[in-house]
Amino acid sequence: DTEVTQTPKHLVMGMTNKKSLKCEQHMGHRAMYWYKQKAKKPPELMFVYSYEKLSINESVPSRFSPECPNSSLLNLHLHALQPEDSALYLCASSQEKQGADYEQYFGPGTRLTVT
Amino acid sequence: AQSVAQPEDQVNVAEGNPLTVKCTYSVSGNPYLFWYVQYPNRGLQFLLKYITGDNLVKGSYGFEAEFNKSQTSFHLKKPSALVSDSALYFCAVREWNNAGNMLTFGGGTRLMVKP
Repeated sequence: DTEVTQTPKHLVMGMTNKKSLKCEQHMGHRAMYWYKQKAKKPPELMFVYSYEKLSINESVPSRFSPECPNSSLLNLHLHALQPEDSALYLCASSQEKQGADYEQYFGPGTRLTVT
Repeated sequence: AQSVAQPEDQVNVAEGNPLTVKCTYSVSGNPYLFWYVQYPNRGLQFLLKYITGDNLVKGSYGFEAEFNKSQTSFHLKKPSALVSDSALYFCAVREWNNAGNMLTFGGGTRLMVKP
């Protein structure tokens, strides 16, 4: 199974709402990632979890709060978002070993619209 | 910092003709290079990677890429394009630091294959 799943596929939320994005993989990967992608642009790294610990936060605003409850799950909690946060949010996973050549596997993404 | 560049925003090819999508890189040390494809409203799919060894790398869906150290390039190629190859293609370079395994993407190239 080389699949990364993400729910929901689409999400529309107001600026005062609280919502969560979910990501799951069962490939035994110990590194998981959140990316933000605007239309026709490359993905931008937001967070990296390594062995369930946050290892990289690319200066993301605090209205985005990641969580890694276990080695298979990754959440992104959203609160008080702005319209400019509307984007495709991608989750990815990979094996985690220094010096190794492991590719990242991406989920289909959640299309987020903030109104 | 490591980087990749995709000099063409769009490449147009007739079905059945060979295609090339260009990528150049700038890294310190040995480059770990990847190609991903993204279909509309979908996540990224891994196509192929170069780590070491043969300069011609074969990947999924009939794609291949040629690593050229002297020209610092990693161009994606396919001998005969299909309409279904029309998509957004990203070149990426992998970087490892103490925080983890990170991918840096090029700006993307839209491939349009016309019947």
